Amino acid sequence: SQQGEEDPQALSIQEGENATMNCSYKTSINNLQWYRQNSGRGLVHLILIRSNEREKHSGRLRVTLDTSKKSSSLLITASRAADTASYFCGENSGGSNYKLTFGKGTLLTVNP
Amino acid sequence: DAGVIQSPRHEVTEMGQEVTLRCKPISGHNSLFWYRQTMMRGLELLIYFNNNVPIDDSGMPEDRFSAKMPNASFSTLKIQPSEPRDSAVYFCASSLSTREKLFFGSGTQLSVL
Repeated sequence: SQQGEEDPQALSIQEGENATMNCSYKTSINNLQWYRQNSGRGLVHLILIRSNEREKHSGRLRVTLDTSKKSSSLLITASRAADTASYFCGENSGGSNYKLTFGKGTLLTVNP
Repeated sequence: DAGVIQSPRHEVTEMGQEVTLRCKPISGHNSLFWYRQTMMRGLELLIYFNNNVPIDDSGMPEDRFSAKMPNASFSTLKIQPSEPRDSAVYFCASSLSTREKLFFGSGTQLSVL
């Protein structure tokens, strides 16, 4: 079975607003990764946060990690219509052989 | 680099036929992953390779599915015989290692009638 669950499943906001998506996971991770998927395309990597990190930024993206709660959040500030996509968190775990497993994602719609 | 290349982009076949999906990873990447995406089950990891060796195939749904990586620049996922419930988008992804970020191909949309 796949690990990690994103919350909410769908989010609709107005352009300029902030969007927050959450991810919960179940195992001890090496790192947690966030990806974006536009309709009909492959996933594109956004941010990787390691288990010993608590926060990471990239442009308008901010990711936090709370290993005590086994949760992460992705914040997109000042959203744009072009941010409309599905967002997935992937947990990288597995002991000696790491693998990346995903939740079902959050569908973000940014209305112009 | 052209990125991860998958072929075909679309495949329509009839139940019982053999289907072969192909993937060319990014040059220099040591790890290769096959995923399947459906609305119902989301993104499922089917199998992954490290240095051309299969590491974990526990996600392969049945014996009808098989995957090979004969060299560092090519992998195949085969379904024989195919069934309608195999209809999905199949993604290949590669990375420098199993701990690093993945680069995904554009996927193969498989429809089994």
